[in-house]
Amino acid sequence: QQQVKQSPQSLIVQKGGISIINCAYENTAFDYFPWYQQFPGKGPALLIAIRPDVSEKKEGRFTISFNKSAKQFSLHIMDSQPGDSATYFCAASKTPNTGNQFYFGTGTSLTVIP
Amino acid sequence: DTAVSQTPKYLVTQMGNDKSIKCEQNLGHDTMYWYKQDSKKFLKIMFSYNNKELIINETVPNRFSPKSPDKAHLNLHINSLELGDSAVYFCASSQAPMPKLFFGSGTQLSVL
Repeated sequence: QQQVKQSPQSLIVQKGGISIINCAYENTAFDYFPWYQQFPGKGPALLIAIRPDVSEKKEGRFTISFNKSAKQFSLHIMDSQPGDSATYFCAASKTPNTGNQFYFGTGTSLTVIP
Repeated sequence: DTAVSQTPKYLVTQMGNDKSIKCEQNLGHDTMYWYKQDSKKFLKIMFSYNNKELIINETVPNRFSPKSPDKAHLNLHINSLELGDSAVYFCASSQAPMPKLFFGSGTQLSVL
């Protein structure tokens, strides 16, 4: 059973546009929601993360919006750039984490067209 | 100064062979993982080790055997390779209580 559902599977955005990727989860015990960015030939790398005590977190052009009641969170990339073209994964886990499961979404392939 | 390094980067082998992938982390983390990424990019956890002890062993064929000689190393040995084992295998580490994963750059395994 997929613990974290992610959409869309792929996304094409014009340079300067806003990219939005959505995720939903079921387990209310999750208390840490990261987004990972993966470039071709590389491993995923942590981009930004949020805890459920806040509804939004912003780091530069990247923003996570979190809706605890709906059990949904989303990644917004403002002023999208060709260098943002990558695969994005949402994830969820519980803390403290001592080797327990990180639950990943199925990934979104983002292409930003110049 | 790669934080999580795995070797080899590419591995091409015949069906039925046995192969190993090595992973080392220099972050001082106490937990290491193996993930499998299939052609659809889906990340699936295989194993998790905390201080050399197995924590997670997902439904993986017993042809896959992880070995952790110390907390900085987690190797993956695969016996009797099958076509379906072709994938990218990622090693990762984390340090409790922070749930932040650091991934290696992956090993592309191709079974012919």
